[in-house]
Amino acid sequence: GDSVTQMEGPVTLSEEAFLTINCTYTATGYPSLFWYVQYPGEGLQLLLKATKADDKGSNKGFEATYRKETTSFHLEKGSVQVSDSAVYFCALGDYGGATNKLIFGTGTLLAVQP
Amino acid sequence: EAQVTQNPRYLITVTGKKLTVTCSQNMNHEYMSWYRQDPGLGLRQIYYSMNVEVTDKGDVPEGYKVSRKEKRNFPLILESPSPNQTSLYFCASRRSTGELFFGEGSRLTVL
Repeated sequence: GDSVTQMEGPVTLSEEAFLTINCTYTATGYPSLFWYVQYPGEGLQLLLKATKADDKGSNKGFEATYRKETTSFHLEKGSVQVSDSAVYFCALGDYGGATNKLIFGTGTLLAVQP
Repeated sequence: EAQVTQNPRYLITVTGKKLTVTCSQNMNHEYMSWYRQDPGLGLRQIYYSMNVEVTDKGDVPEGYKVSRKEKRNFPLILESPSPNQTSLYFCASRRSTGELFFGEGSRLTVL
């Protein structure tokens, strides 16, 4: 079935460092791809999304490109801040398929130190 | 303000004592869903609802019930909670563009 694999955390970076969180997926159809962020004690918020191959989603300095050839949707940011410390979830939207849901990766904890 | 509201946010209960976690959304979304979040497992779908009176099982439905009598409400019912249902629960509703709006979560502990 469809699935999402993202890199294990925690990822610890210094402020202003470059961030990459890897995400790969397996899907039989043509899913939409999402990144969600969860700040401590809060629910998940949509960070960015891409609905088809080669689309780039971007928001708050974060970017991710839907790569069908490598089945990837890696999250990047050029210069992280302490306020970016959170758990990041990659997700695949299988709404046209049998399961009709968002499938989440296990999450990657990002800790940014001043 | 668009939101998904869950109650209670925190609950400690004992094995076997029925409880209900309420969920309400004010965006007129047709699709709603419940997830549980556990360390190392990410989020797993419990139940979802495509519309009023239409519900279906997700990946981990055992021990849970839901109902959808009105579009805005989608309560999660634990008829006889057990310790393995200790978790962080999220309700969500879905926009027509596909992304989910999440509530702030309900942390449940079953002793």
